[in-house]
Amino acid sequence: GDSVTQMEGPVTLSEEAFLTINCTYTATGYPSLFWYVQYPGEGLQLLLKATKADDKGSNKGFEATYRKETTSFHLEKGSVQVSDSAVYFCALRKTGNQFYFGTGTSLTVIP
Amino acid sequence: NAGVTQTPKFRVLKTGQSMTLLCAQDMNHEYMYWYRQDPGMGLRLIHYSVGEGTTAKGEVPDGYNVSRLKKQNFLLGLESAAPSQTSVYFCASNLAGGSSYEQYFGPGTRLTVT
Repeated sequence: GDSVTQMEGPVTLSEEAFLTINCTYTATGYPSLFWYVQYPGEGLQLLLKATKADDKGSNKGFEATYRKETTSFHLEKGSVQVSDSAVYFCALRKTGNQFYFGTGTSLTVIP
Repeated sequence: NAGVTQTPKFRVLKTGQSMTLLCAQDMNHEYMYWYRQDPGMGLRLIHYSVGEGTTAKGEVPDGYNVSRLKKQNFLLGLESAAPSQTSVYFCASNLAGGSSYEQYFGPGTRLTVT
């Protein structure tokens, strides 16, 4: 069945460090891929998305490229800030009602 | 545009009590969902609805019931609460149609069952 696997955390980085959070997926057909972010005490918010192979989603300095050949959608940021501390979820959706979420990766950025 | 709202934000129940969580969205979305979030387990789908008057079971439906009498509202009921239902509950909604439409989430309800 369809699924999303993302790297386990927690991840702790110093401010201005480079961030990568790995995400791979299993799905038939052509899903859309998403990264959501959850700040403490809040709901999930869409961070970025890509709807077809080779698309790059970007927002707030974060980027992820939809790689069909490696079935991956890794999240990257060149220089993290303390305010980026949150839990990050990778997700996929195919046509229809079902979304599939990864288990989330907690990121803490220290000054 | 309020997006997705949830009521209440916090609740403490005793074992065996019942309650209803309300989710409302003002984006005219067809699809609505209830998830629970537990430490280390990510989001798990409880029930969902693809339109007014329709509901379906998700991954962890036992102990919960839902209703979607109006398109904008999706209610989650606990008939007899158990400590295992202590969790944070999130409602979400999205447009039907193509796969590119993302889900919008409410702020969550933190439920404790003692």
